[in-house]
Amino acid sequence: QSALTQPASVSGSPGQSITISCTGTSSDVGSYNLVSWYQQHPGKAPKLMIYEVSKRPSGVSNRFSGSKSGNTASLTISGLQAEDEADYYCCSYAGSSLYVFGTGTKVTVL
Amino acid sequence: EVQLVESGGGLVQPGRSLRLSCAASGFTFDDYAMHWVRQAPGKGLEWVSGISWNSGSIGYADSVKGRFTISRDNAKNSLYLQMNSLRAEDTALYYCAKGAYYYDSSGYYRDVYGMDVWGQGTTVTVSS
Repeated sequence: QSALTQPASVSGSPGQSITISCTGTSSDVGSYNLVSWYQQHPGKAPKLMIYEVSKRPSGVSNRFSGSKSGNTASLTISGLQAEDEADYYCCSYAGSSLYVFGTGTKVTVL
Repeated sequence: EVQLVESGGGLVQPGRSLRLSCAASGFTFDDYAMHWVRQAPGKGLEWVSGISWNSGSIGYADSVKGRFTISRDNAKNSLYLQMNSLRAEDTALYYCAKGAYYYDSSGYYRDVYGMDVWGQGTTVTVSS
């Protein structure tokens, strides 16, 4: 159970699009379309932003989208806004009732 | 309002035990899988353990397997984490999280293997 690999930081200007990658293995990301993404603002609990690779819960902006190719999942934030500045984590089901989170990415809005 | 409230954290010496609790309200607790996720100070999220609605399926991270035990009492709408043989590296904010369930295209309400409601966490500090 090794953590999924994410870039430590990603930045962009307001209005731009950014993409955060999440690289796992054939035992987790590559085997299941069960990748979720979480947004966490400082001092706050995480918030579910994407589930099953690309689906958005009700209330989550359509500026957030997800995809997957092979062992790598991605989260794209389009039309970047100041409120999007936060830490983002991917998470994948890994079989046998196991889950693994990513290392986390700090998004900075310039 | 859907709510999860963790309790039971505190300062404990290495090698000792602690039991965390999570009180759920605002939803039908026994319909959902539940999880414990922790976050060490200044670090990322780490999934610790999860349990299915009927306790039939349970999983643990390698880092806690054999030391931690997850359980639930559906009659009390409560989730628990028994933590034994605690180590300094177990120091973290421990979150309780509800499994996410959504309707699929066939109208079937199912586990989507995510976590959609989180508590505010309870802090565990392991130190002598």
